Amino acid sequence: EVQLVESGGGLVQPGGSLRLSCAASRFTFSSYWMHWVRQAPGKGLVWVSGIKSEGSTTYADSVKGRFTISRDNAKNTLYLQMNSLRADDTAVYYCARGRSYSSDYWGQGTLVTVSS
Amino acid sequence: QSALTQPASVSGSPGQSITISCTGTSSDVGNYNLVSWYQHHPGKAPKLMIYEDSKRPSGVSNRFSASKSGNTASLTISGLQAEDEADYYCCSYAGSNTFVFGGGTKVTVL
Repeated sequence: EVQLVESGGGLVQPGGSLRLSCAASRFTFSSYWMHWVRQAPGKGLVWVSGIKSEGSTTYADSVKGRFTISRDNAKNTLYLQMNSLRADDTAVYYCARGRSYSSDYWGQGTLVTVSS
Repeated sequence: QSALTQPASVSGSPGQSITISCTGTSSDVGNYNLVSWYQHHPGKAPKLMIYEDSKRPSGVSNRFSASKSGNTASLTISGLQAEDEADYYCCSYAGSNTFVFGGGTKVTVL
């Protein structure tokens, strides 16, 4: 079965940086659109960013210019570089595989806490 | 990129049917046949229940169905079961390779 495992979360100070990773397995990673979705404590799911198989990227307005999504198809890994972090970026970050303009497989998430 | 509007909570007794609405705009829900629905048990990975407005992925119970009219999509759970208690989110393609989620609906089985 498809597996997505996020890592890289943790505690970071406001203004700091963090890089999340999502290791993919049991499917042809290079062929799929991949997404990051986050959930702040007590709040709902929010789409953050996506990267198509050919490498084109898109971002939610709230993270544009601060976050960068990328992928390494040789390593079957998705990344999210997060800079200039703010308290409202505190959330569980999920990676998800795109399919038919939806997300059919999700990881378990990694928690990012932005606090001094 | 305003969030789609969902009721905060919906409840029903075992065996009953419930419907969750999801209202967007003519730029997202009303413009594409690309609404998806997710079930999320806290602490677990979200699960895709519906894609492309009304299609069910393999393995999802046929107790889950969905439809859309104009800018409002709906998810119906029939024969409500205790295991259906979870948070449910709609999501729509919003153009230019972006997506927007609803605020989520907590389903309680009484």
